Amino acid sequence: GAVVSQHPSRVICKSGTSVKIECRSLDFQATTMFWYRQFPKQSLMLMATSNEGSKATYEQGVEKDKFLINHASLTLSTLTVTSAHPEDSSFYICSARAPGAGREKLFFGSGTQLSVL
Amino acid sequence: GNSVTQMEGPVTLSEEAFLTINCTYTATGYPSLFWYVQYPGEGLQLLLKATKADDKGSNKGFEATYRKETTSFHLEKGSVQVSDSAVYFCALKGSSNTGKLIFGQGTTLQVKP
Repeated sequence: GAVVSQHPSRVICKSGTSVKIECRSLDFQATTMFWYRQFPKQSLMLMATSNEGSKATYEQGVEKDKFLINHASLTLSTLTVTSAHPEDSSFYICSARAPGAGREKLFFGSGTQLSVL
Repeated sequence: GNSVTQMEGPVTLSEEAFLTINCTYTATGYPSLFWYVQYPGEGLQLLLKATKADDKGSNKGFEATYRKETTSFHLEKGSVQVSDSAVYFCALKGSSNTGKLIFGQGTTLQVKP
């Protein structure tokens, strides 16, 4: 089946630094990728929709200047948390839509646990 | 707006016990409903889905029926195994075809031998 690789799986950084998370579709081209975050015991919340070659569409309340999303190719989307602060500590997970496989064919990465000290 | 509520976990069961994980939703129109499973160290995987009222999704012994009258999509399995230990997410996709999923908070299932 389709595989989505997300890296790193865990990152610890100092407050004020930037962290980049990569999401790759390994065996299919993903025109659309989604980024979610999850706080402990809460739902996965959609942050943004990333379309290859165009600007990401952010959900209400998500700071686009803080969470930079780049979808430069059909197999790679990146999320950069800029000037991270402790309140950005969360679980981030990406998903990629496989074309031609039905509208509900979404494949998820294994997630990235970000801890900001 | 659309939302999904799942029963809180963790749920701890003995092997071969009956499993129910409750899921209710709020949505306008006619959403599609999903259950995703996340095994330790892996990404979310689609477990089953239902796209219209009274549909029953099933896979790997798990079942869920789309109940519009009760706005529910409870996950059931007659006899759980240790290998079913994972986090289960209920989700919905609204009527618009954007691919966006609205998730519940997830329910951790631990099955003991």
